[in-house]
Amino acid sequence: QLQLQESGPGLVKPSETLSLTCTVSGGSISSSSYYWGWIRQPPGKGLEWIGSIYYSGSTYYNPSLKSRVTISVDTSKNQFSLKLSSVTAADTAVYYCAGERELLWAVWGQGTMVTVSS
Amino acid sequence: SSELTQDPAVSVALGQTVRITCQGDSLRSYYASWYQQKPGQAPVLVIYGKNNRPSGIPDRFSGSSSGNTASLTITGAQAEDEADYYCNSRDSSGNLWVFGGGTKLTVL
Repeated sequence: QLQLQESGPGLVKPSETLSLTCTVSGGSISSSSYYWGWIRQPPGKGLEWIGSIYYSGSTYYNPSLKSRVTISVDTSKNQFSLKLSSVTAADTAVYYCAGERELLWAVWGQGTMVTVSS
Repeated sequence: SSELTQDPAVSVALGQTVRITCQGDSLRSYYASWYQQKPGQAPVLVIYGKNNRPSGIPDRFSGSSSGNTASLTITGAQAEDEADYYCNSRDSSGNLWVFGGGTKLTVL
């Protein structure tokens, strides 16, 4: 069964770059069935799609975040990663990695809380 | 439009039926999927496509769609159904994803 696990710092300083990695287990990240994505949820607020990547490297980003976001994939490690630059307190959120197939988010990581604070 | 609109809160008496709606232009082209989220937990898919339930989701959950509105219906709501519910679909361009703002369901 496919499982996802986020990892990375829980605290990031303002203006710095947030970096998270999602490790895929129980299957190959190179599966043609899946896109891989990042979704975040600020405390007490709703879900926001950040962006998605295919194993080939094709990416799609939320226009509201596009200038600050980079999502990459490392097929040798079965991982994909998120970088969000120039963070502010507004980027404080639980960050989820997830796998998308057939127009639905089929599998989710447990989420990781990232706080932006000096 | 790339927005999906949900009522912020809905309540239902135990054992009764409740409908949660989601409106948006993209729903004329794409089915919504619905996610249930309980406090401190990751979202869980409950309905997708025309009206499909993943394995393990009770059959009291059902979905429907008409025009620009998608609906999630819980027939015979249980206490454990109290949660936030989010709709989700591709946007009208087909390249991006959009989530509704979420509906907090209270079971009385």
